[in-house]
Amino acid sequence: RKEVEQDPGPFNVPEGATVAFNCTYSNSASQSFFWYRQDCRKEPKLLMSVYSSGNEDGRFTAQLNRASQYISLLIRDSKLSDSATYLCVVNKSGRRALTFGSGTRLQVQP
Amino acid sequence: DGGITQSPKYLFRKEGQNVTLSCEQNLNHDAMYWYRQDPGQGLRLIYYSQIVNDFQKGDIAEGYSVSREKKESFPLTVTSAQKNPTAFYLCASSKETGQGWTEAFFGQGTRLTVV
Repeated sequence: RKEVEQDPGPFNVPEGATVAFNCTYSNSASQSFFWYRQDCRKEPKLLMSVYSSGNEDGRFTAQLNRASQYISLLIRDSKLSDSATYLCVVNKSGRRALTFGSGTRLQVQP
Repeated sequence: DGGITQSPKYLFRKEGQNVTLSCEQNLNHDAMYWYRQDPGQGLRLIYYSQIVNDFQKGDIAEGYSVSREKKESFPLTVTSAQKNPTAFYLCASSKETGQGWTEAFFGQGTRLTVV
């Protein structure tokens, strides 16, 4: 089993739709969780951190479920500019600090 | 401005040659990482380093080598032993807190093509 697993998609949604991605992780000792966005042929950039209590940033909401070992990202009112690949990242103290999922591709259509 | 810088942005290599990709950060981060990304694929970890003069193999270290002589620098050498080196190479850094790691910051990447 991979340390971090994501549905590769693509998710094709119309503008204005709500879309959700999940990411599962295998190591229960994981302590830090992030969602990154990667545009085509660019470096990944931090979208948001994921806190135990969940957090929201505008149209984006991230949730953490430690019991089931998954994190989620919800995007409301999708924009064309949201089209990108979304990477789930899980960290823990000690070695192998950064583990990336393979990404979920989102395509928002007019 | 603080950040992480990779150079060159594009690199062409002849078969059988070694090449070195540069990665420098001035964020005072402890950890640095090298990832490889192939078209349509996710990031795969090549090497990482959590402190100076120490580094660990990632998932695909064969054909690569690194050094960490300074906190700010983590160069990656792609050797002739790497059979399929054409890819997008990303360097990242992060800092450990008492409760885990901060988010990773990435350089802009180096596109390596073997000709």
